Amino acid sequence: DAGVIQSPRHEVTEMGQEVTLRCKPISGHNSLFWYRQTMMRGLELLIYFNNNVPIDDSGMPEDRFSAKMPNASFSTLKIQPSEPRDSAVYFCASSLSRGGRKDTQYFGPGTRLTVL
Amino acid sequence: DAKTTQPPSMDCAEGRAANLPCNHSTISGNEYVYWYRQIHSQGPQYIIHGLKNNETNEMASLIITEDRKSSTLILPHATLRDTAVYYCIVRVDFYSGGGADGLTFGKGTHLIIQP
Repeated sequence: DAGVIQSPRHEVTEMGQEVTLRCKPISGHNSLFWYRQTMMRGLELLIYFNNNVPIDDSGMPEDRFSAKMPNASFSTLKIQPSEPRDSAVYFCASSLSRGGRKDTQYFGPGTRLTVL
Repeated sequence: DAKTTQPPSMDCAEGRAANLPCNHSTISGNEYVYWYRQIHSQGPQYIIHGLKNNETNEMASLIITEDRKSSTLILPHATLRDTAVYYCIVRVDFYSGGGADGLTFGKGTHLIIQP
């Protein structure tokens, strides 16, 4: 089975440019999560979706960040405009939530973003 | 979710059992103990979870004390590939309303397997 797929794996951009990160969750999973990892703050949740609907975006740092999930097999995280402090590794994770239970989250390989 | 405390780092000799402790003294009755690990430059990987009984799978064993205030993750025969940061996370396994929510990661334990 293919795991969570993220693209690109590495992204280098200049300050002010728009960046779009992509995620394909595990087939059949109905919950999707975006996390960010930095040396200073560790791993932190940005936003999560259930059945393609954003549930909690309180972790999104500011309005420059937006996330969408147009269908069950695709999600994007967009930063516009990007800033050097956005440099981090961004992880996508998915899980199957059913019958009121939270299931195990499976993580993708991450996208390493560098904003110059 | 309850807070967890882990040692920042540990060493273990290759081939020996690695025992990683986690303190979660404020755990609630409906909170599970989860363990994830993150090998350098990779995404976090699920290892095991449990409520109050000891659990074992192909990767590890989880021992939870009777009062559930602490637990130990055991890697029975550590290899160099087990060098990673190990995260102990406590979370409620049932949700209400909106559905699943995210994991709260602490700083974890950096386990170094020595050859």
